[in-house]
Amino acid sequence: GENVEQHPSTLSVQEGDSAVIKCTYSDSASNYFPWYKQELGKRPQLIIDIRSNVGEKKDQRIAVTLNKTAKHFSLHITETQPEDSAVYFCAASGGDSSYKLIFGSGTRLLVRP
Amino acid sequence: GAVVSQHPSWVICKSGTSVKIECRSLDFQATTMFWYRQFPKQSLMLMATSNEGSKATYEQGVEKDKFLINHASLTLSTLTVTSAHPEDSSFYICSATYRGREKLFFGSGTQLSVL
Repeated sequence: GENVEQHPSTLSVQEGDSAVIKCTYSDSASNYFPWYKQELGKRPQLIIDIRSNVGEKKDQRIAVTLNKTAKHFSLHITETQPEDSAVYFCAASGGDSSYKLIFGSGTRLLVRP
Repeated sequence: GAVVSQHPSWVICKSGTSVKIECRSLDFQATTMFWYRQFPKQSLMLMATSNEGSKATYEQGVEKDKFLINHASLTLSTLTVTSAHPEDSSFYICSATYRGREKLFFGSGTQLSVL
């Protein structure tokens, strides 16, 4: 089955700096890669997603890149703000056509004012 | 957008009792629902996949007799934690999708505490 690894586990940046979180996946058949932001005790919130037929996608300060050959994808947040502080999860699905999402281990992002 | 409602949001129970958690899709027909468990400061771990009218498919290591999943209609799935023990205390969260859509819609989660 699919296995998703995520790094780093914690990330502390100064407000205004950029943050990058990286994930790798094992199933080359996976074709959908969402990123979620989760605050304590709340449901994960989808912030951006990318499909395997696209190499990069951007939405304002957030971008995701995908390298299918290397089987890794990354989340880039520019001009970070304190409200970006949360836990971020990457995920992958589609390898077995079931739509089930397999999550990475999470990255705790702290943006220092 | 698609809305998934999950109840209760938190529950405290005594060891040995059973707890039922409901997950409803409010404005779409959920052909597939997923149940996840999340321990503090950890990731979401997939427990099982349920398709309407079919038996749930459990992930390796998840006891199907302990975590009973029913998906009897296109808008409702239930997770029953039977004979709950303190180690079952966790945040349980459901998600749903409909045919042809890989994007999942999450419920608000249920914090279960077993005393």
